[in-house]
Amino acid sequence: GQSLEQPSEVTAVEGAIVQINCTYQTSGFYGLSWYQQHDGGAPTFLSYNALDGLEETGRFSSFLSRSDSYGYLLLQELQMKDSASYFCAYTGGFKTIFGAGTRLFVKA
Amino acid sequence: GAGVSQSPSNKVTEKGKDVELRCDPISGHTALYWYRQSLGQGLEFLIYFQGNSAPDKSGLPSDRFSAERTGGSVSTLTIQRTQQEDSAVYLCASSTRLAGGTGELFFGEGSRLTVL
Repeated sequence: GQSLEQPSEVTAVEGAIVQINCTYQTSGFYGLSWYQQHDGGAPTFLSYNALDGLEETGRFSSFLSRSDSYGYLLLQELQMKDSASYFCAYTGGFKTIFGAGTRLFVKA
Repeated sequence: GAGVSQSPSNKVTEKGKDVELRCDPISGHTALYWYRQSLGQGLEFLIYFQGNSAPDKSGLPSDRFSAERTGGSVSTLTIQRTQQEDSAVYLCASSTRLAGGTGELFFGEGSRLTVL
């Protein structure tokens, strides 16, 4: 079948580093994306990995291992505004499927 | 327009009524998606349109749900004989992406449907 798994909640302290893991199971895999969604808002695109390795965009980095069907989102220098839900999503078979999301709480 | 536009932003209806939700994608975007998000949950894939190809309807939960896309642009999601479990935020997204591209979807603000 097709599925993604990610932790439901993560809590971290302002200024710290947090890693949100995602494992997936699918056929016809093209790439793994990450989206951020604040309460009441629309999901916004953060990053995309089509190849193995690390992609860095400012404070956010994303990693993919295709052989392990695994990826993660790394958030550095956490800020209070990073409190949101984070979704991993795979693109395959001409559509994008989302995980259930990880709720990140950033504490002062 | 500058972004994906959805209407109405909020819709309250009575059980058994039909509703139509509209999505106006970013100009030039060939791919259009509908997702459903219940409170505190993930995004449930409903349907995908790509250019003039037949849509991927594999996510539609029942035959009460249908969608069309006219002229490769505006899309309408129709829910017939609404049920209380249909209450959710319906999100539309569009993309320039073909399979294997950057994976970036642009989302609208959603239509919040409440079925009483």
